[in-house]
Amino acid sequence: EVQLVESGGGLVQPGRSLRLSCAASGFSFDDYAMHWVRQAPGKGLEWVSGISWNSDSTGYADSVKGRFTISRDNAKNSLYLQMNSLRAEDTALYYCAKGDCSSTSCQAGYWGQGTLVTVSS
Amino acid sequence: QSVLTQPPSASGTPGQRVTISCSGSSSNIGSNTVSWYQQLPGTAPKLLIYSNNQRPSGVPDRFSGSKSGTSASLAISGLQSEDEADYYCAAWDDSLNGWVFGGGTKLTVL
Repeated sequence: EVQLVESGGGLVQPGRSLRLSCAASGFSFDDYAMHWVRQAPGKGLEWVSGISWNSDSTGYADSVKGRFTISRDNAKNSLYLQMNSLRAEDTALYYCAKGDCSSTSCQAGYWGQGTLVTVSS
Repeated sequence: QSVLTQPPSASGTPGQRVTISCSGSSSNIGSNTVSWYQQLPGTAPKLLIYSNNQRPSGVPDRFSGSKSGTSASLAISGLQSEDEADYYCAAWDDSLNGWVFGGGTKLTVL
């Protein structure tokens, strides 16, 4: 059974940093791209960042580019999101998602339960 | 404002068929496949439809998807009370080089 468990969220002041983690199990982690998707309170889904299976390729939403860094450790079956210079608008539930991709399609096949990040003074 | 456009709400009575639309552009829906996600209240999103019209194992065949040009739609037939949820469409965007989502449609079963 695929399991994705996020951790590291919490209350942080504007301008500070936070590192999110996602522990994966139940599949061959190093075969899949992974993503972070966030959901602000009462709002819709927003893709934040993605990383290829071997970390060769990463991508970021314009809203976080230059402030967030995605990384992974395949030996530990773990995905990370380093968030710097946090802003109030980064307040959201952050989901880790498994990228199920083929030659013709790519979708978030499995999602974790999310970790809440609140940016406030 | 979301890149993909969905109606904010939809409704139907038990047993009815409802459809939810999703409109995009040539850089996303027009050139890539569409997926749909169901988010029940207080839970994480779940993949409902992928590759425009494919259902993952375990998703009832009451749910179906289609795509034409730069638009897509999700149809739910034989509506049930447990279908009450938020539904999101998504597609890879070649310009943004990431996934884009619709704003979500809140489905109410009357």
